[in-house]
Amino acid sequence: ILNVEQSPQSLHVQEGDSTNFTCSFPSSNFYALHWYRWETAKSPEALFVMTLNGDEKKKGRISATLNTKEGYSYLYIKGSQPEDSATYLCAASPAAGNKLTFGGGTRVLVKP
Amino acid sequence: GAGVSQSPSNKVTEKGKDVELRCDPISGHTALYWYRQSLGQGLEFLIYFQGNSAPDKSGLPSDRFSAERTGGSVSTLTIQRTQQEDSAVYLCASSLGLAGSLYTQYFGPGTRLTVL
Repeated sequence: ILNVEQSPQSLHVQEGDSTNFTCSFPSSNFYALHWYRWETAKSPEALFVMTLNGDEKKKGRISATLNTKEGYSYLYIKGSQPEDSATYLCAASPAAGNKLTFGGGTRVLVKP
Repeated sequence: GAGVSQSPSNKVTEKGKDVELRCDPISGHTALYWYRQSLGQGLEFLIYFQGNSAPDKSGLPSDRFSAERTGGSVSTLTIQRTQQEDSAVYLCASSLGLAGSLYTQYFGPGTRLTVL
């Protein structure tokens, strides 16, 4: 079982500002890292799946990087908009099996 | 196409009653997962099913919890003799396959369970 941590737990961002937050996981016995966005009253939505050290993924104004050697991933939001307000979850899986361990999430509130 | 669906969306029950939560995965997805999120907590893995293999029940918090998946499709999570600490949002997810965890898990909208 992996220990996945996210920081900060919550953050407020002014509309138009960029922000980033962290997901950390044990660098040993790591296989894949997932990012999800969970808006209130909706289903968690998959953003990225990454597995290789140095992976970078981008979806619109949101991007993510992965460092498997030191055990962290950053998620970036460029030019935050109110619709970016959500809880962002990361989840990691060990080499064996398909079970994801989720972090506690970073709750992002973008203020107009 | 249709996504993962769950029913009911909300369930209020009295302590000690049994409840059943239903999940309809995306057609063709062979893997199905149950998670829950208690107030102030992260998503907690409960159980997953993959094809005809024995389910991984390692996340079930007690023997009051059980789940089954009929015909490799619909799944039911049953909680017997509910307790107040069972109150949570129960999420179901499905994915194409087990072979490593590169497959995206697609989540349903969840069932909010409140035990009075």
